Amino acid sequence: AQSVTQPDIHITVSEGASLELRCNYSYGATPYLFWYVQSPGQGLQLLLKYFSGDTLVQGIKGFEAEFKRSQSSFNLRKPSVHWSDAAEYFCAVGRGGGADGLTFGKGTHLIIQP
Amino acid sequence: DAGVIQSPRHEVTEMGQEVTLRCKPISGHNSLFWYRQTMMRGLELLIYFNNNVPIDDSGMPEDRFSAKMPNASFSTLKIQPSEPRDSAVYFCASSLPTGGQETQYFGPGTRLLVL
Repeated sequence: AQSVTQPDIHITVSEGASLELRCNYSYGATPYLFWYVQSPGQGLQLLLKYFSGDTLVQGIKGFEAEFKRSQSSFNLRKPSVHWSDAAEYFCAVGRGGGADGLTFGKGTHLIIQP
Repeated sequence: DAGVIQSPRHEVTEMGQEVTLRCKPISGHNSLFWYRQTMMRGLELLIYFNNNVPIDDSGMPEDRFSAKMPNASFSTLKIQPSEPRDSAVYFCASSLPTGGQETQYFGPGTRLLVL
């Protein structure tokens, strides 16, 4: 069965500093991977996705993620965070290419210090 | 595009009452998913439809939960009778398969509180 692990429940970063959120997955076939962001009281917004090809994918809001098959990882990065980036971040793996639904990690709560 | 629309946005009810959550997927999308988000269990897939047909309902927690998709533009998730442990945020998502790759777009969610 597929699973997603986000090891960090909370992360605190100073505004302007760089960010890396970790995600490890377990999936028997070619993984389709996603990062979503959830602001308080809001729905989930897609940041970026990996299906195939270039292992470094660019997303919205200046985020990027790198797929590393050897490490079963799909870490999310941003070179300089803004206060508006404070939110909950979810990594997910798509079953059947996404056609059979998503399996989510438990999320990482990002706190931005002034 | 209006995105995925869910109603109501908030629902407060008493234990034993019937609750109906509604979802309108993005026009043209032919897959629809219902998820539940709780602090303890995170985001879980409850059920999904393809071309209005339920494909996998193994995530539905109990027989008290049921979902329908009578047409391509409307789906409901019903809980009858509701219990306090059903309190959660329920999300609907839709997608359009593109060469076996699908991206799901989520609605704003319905926050359910069962007293």
